[in-house]
Parts: sequence; C-alpha cells; structure tokens
Amino acid sequence: DGGITQSPKYLFRKEGQNVTLSCEQNLNHDAMYWYRQDPGQGLRLIYYSQIVNDFQKGDIAEGYSVSREKKESFPLTVTSAQKNPTAFYLCATRRSGRTYEQYFGPGTRLTVT
Amino acid sequence: DQQVKQNSPSLSVQEGRISILNCDYTNSMFDYFLWYKKYPAEGPTFLISISSIKDKNEDGRFTVFLNKSAKHLSLHIVPSQPGDSAVYFCAASSIQGAQKLVFGQGTRLTINP
Repeated sequence: DGGITQSPKYLFRKEGQNVTLSCEQNLNHDAMYWYRQDPGQGLRLIYYSQIVNDFQKGDIAEGYSVSREKKESFPLTVTSAQKNPTAFYLCATRRSGRTYEQYFGPGTRLTVT
Repeated sequence: DQQVKQNSPSLSVQEGRISILNCDYTNSMFDYFLWYKKYPAEGPTFLISISSIKDKNEDGRFTVFLNKSAKHLSLHIVPSQPGDSAVYFCAASSIQGAQKLVFGQGTRLTINP
C-alpha cells in the first residue's frame, strides 16, 4: 500500500528537549518537504530535499534540522532553539521531473510545554 | 511579504449551490497553481491544478479559473455537498522557485443543509 507515514500522530515534549518527527514514504518520490501549520495560517516550508544526501532551508528553518540518508526517509528534528515549537507538522513528497503536485502525510501534532 | 493571499477566512454556502473560493498572488514568476482540501488534524489532499498557459481546468464538480492579468484564481464547486466542508488552500509554484509550493492562509468552507 503506497503512501506517506508520519508517526506518531500526537507528540508531547517538555521545553528544552529536542524531538525528532518521522516521515517515511514508499511512493519512490525523489523530493520531500516539511511544513508547519499554525492556527489560521497557511503551510510554511521548513526544509526540503530534492535528492538523497541533499537538503535546503525553507522559509522558517531556524531551530530545525533534517537529514536525508535514504530516499524513503526525511526525519525532522525540532531543537530547543525553536522558540514556538508547538504546531502541526506535515511531511510531503513530489515525483521528480517537471511536476508540481505534492502529496501529504497525515501530520504530527507536537505540543511542547 | 505574503505572495499568495486568500482574503476570505471563511465562507458559508447552502448545499446544492455554487461555492466560489478566491486566491490572489503577487509573484508573476508563478507558473503553476494548485488547490488543496484539508480536514482538521489531517494532511491536505490535492484537488485540482492549473498551468499558467491555461485559463480554466475542470474536474467533475471542481473548476479552477486563472486570470493572469489580475493575478487571481478561483475554485468553483458545483453543486456543493456537505462533504465539501473543509479548509481550502491555494498554492502557487514555479520552476525558478525549485517547484516549492507557496500557500495562502486558507478559507474554511461550510456547506449548510
């Protein structure tokens, strides 16, 4: 069954702790993206990767880090440097080539207290 | 600087009538536009898209119109159904922008019986 998996659905952490959000895909898509959504706002791009072992900062990369060691996986680490980490985090993928459509995972709701 | 704007945070439409969601953009380099539908606590799902070389694209009950001179696009849903109640995001992209998606803030559509 092809798709994008984000786990867990809900995640709770104490302030000052780093936390890693998982994103796995078996669509064989080359590009992967991380967004965050805050209430009343659109999706904002955190990081993206167009090929394995390469990634670029998006619009709001401060306080986050990523890795892309495998085509299927693009984990996002929310570090203690991120000032407002509580949000809904979404992972997306896109086929290679002249395509624009991105396909989203179910999301992870992170709450930091 | 908000490059993609959805100026209506919410819209309420009677079941069976037409729903029209609007989106404006400022970057003339955008060459592809997409609409996504999102339910609470879920990832967005791709609905319909349009290339800048077209002015209309239709898929079943959904039609997207693009007015390049006005930098405006709209999504028409006819007839509206209760299951259409969701938040709708428009997004824009360009090859020059590495096919990243820039999202509007979203419009919450409510279909009333």
